[in-house]
Amino acid sequence: GAVVSQHPSWVICKSGTSVKIECRSLDFQATTMFWYRQFPKQSLMLMATSNEGSKATYEQGVEKDKFLINHASLTLSTLTVTSAHPEDSSFYICSASTPRSSYEQYFGPGTRLTVT
Amino acid sequence: ILNVEQSPQSLHVQEGDSTNFTCSFPSSNFYALHWYRWETAKSPEALFVMTLNGDEKKKGRISATLNTKEGYSYLYIKGSQPEDSATYLCAALDSNYQLIWGAGTKLIIKP
Repeated sequence: GAVVSQHPSWVICKSGTSVKIECRSLDFQATTMFWYRQFPKQSLMLMATSNEGSKATYEQGVEKDKFLINHASLTLSTLTVTSAHPEDSSFYICSASTPRSSYEQYFGPGTRLTVT
Repeated sequence: ILNVEQSPQSLHVQEGDSTNFTCSFPSSNFYALHWYRWETAKSPEALFVMTLNGDEKKKGRISATLNTKEGYSYLYIKGSQPEDSATYLCAALDSNYQLIWGAGTKLIIKP
């Protein structure tokens, strides 16, 4: 149980275009989903926390208008990178959690974004 | 806002040796402490979630302890094996359900 999927697993896009990444909890309802970014040879950087039906809470330094997060249902959250630039190229990973497990996080497999 | 610190940053251990590393966090407003194992090219995987002072959890050769009064948790690996090589992340959840991650301890097991 507790499987989280991400789609796509990798994507290449041109500078200036927008890219949407989906995060789904497949066998449980996730009250909270988290979006992370990993820079090369660094640990996870939390970008934002999203609760179903409410606006995401962004970490300091993360642009809300650039990284649009929608958590419309208990099983789906999306991250849209708007007007992507090469510096947005990174590994984006989501996780989902519920209060029942003290918010233990179940991670998706990640999405590798390359902006050319 | 919690600050979570992990030490050491990286660790080289001979195969067969036992090792441990630390996660420290402010003890006020504490709710839960998570340990994750993150292997290269894979997603982080939860190892333990601990909430009570004095909690001890074990999974095979890996175990963890929690001291919420002084704000630290230890992760122990007994008889290290090459497959234990990974980055071990801890994260502290406060009473506002804000999750703060440590930077991780990168463990490399030398055969």
